[in-house]
Amino acid sequence: KQEVTQIPAALSVPEGENLVLNCSFTDSAIYNLQWFRQDPGKGLTSLLLIQSSQREQTSGRLNASLDKSSGRSTLYIAASQPGDSATYLCAVFTGTASKLTFGTGTRLQVTL
Amino acid sequence: DAGITQSPRHKVTETGTPVTLRCHQTENHRYMYWYRQDPGHGLRLIHYSYGVKDTDKGEVSDGYSVSRSKTEDFLLTLESATSSQTSVYFCAISEGGNGIQYFGAGTRLSVL
Repeated sequence: KQEVTQIPAALSVPEGENLVLNCSFTDSAIYNLQWFRQDPGKGLTSLLLIQSSQREQTSGRLNASLDKSSGRSTLYIAASQPGDSATYLCAVFTGTASKLTFGTGTRLQVTL
Repeated sequence: DAGITQSPRHKVTETGTPVTLRCHQTENHRYMYWYRQDPGHGLRLIHYSYGVKDTDKGEVSDGYSVSRSKTEDFLLTLESATSSQTSVYFCAISEGGNGIQYFGAGTRLSVL
């Protein structure tokens, strides 16, 4: 059974700092890995999707990397801003189709 | 929210009563999903649909049923609500089975 872990569970950084969020998964036979953002009381917004054959994806100040063999992904946020404050969720698509397994997320707070 | 509407957005009900949550999409995507989100558990898949009248169970399907009679609507029914079904329920859609999932804003359900 696929298990997804995100460390740390919560993180507070000052504005302008670069930061890394970590995601690990137990079964390396994945189709893809997705990073989502969730604001309080809201649904999830897809940030990046990395196919299993890719090493990284970039969108603006966000860069996600994937090391499938070691079961790890990182989300790098450059020059953090207060508007980046949210919970970031990692999810992997594994084996049988149509099913995402989610981590419990990292709650990020960017302070002024 | 990518053309996804969940209704109701909030509901309070009593133990033993039936409850139906609705997800409506305007994107004509083939796949639709129901998740629940609980503290410490992340998002867990309840049921999903891969076409009209085609549905399958997720990891936490006990006590829930679904129906999809039209491409745009996916209904989640709690036949006899229990307090353990108090949660936030999210609907998601995707064009392909392993593609990006787009989420609705969620339904907060309290079973007293």
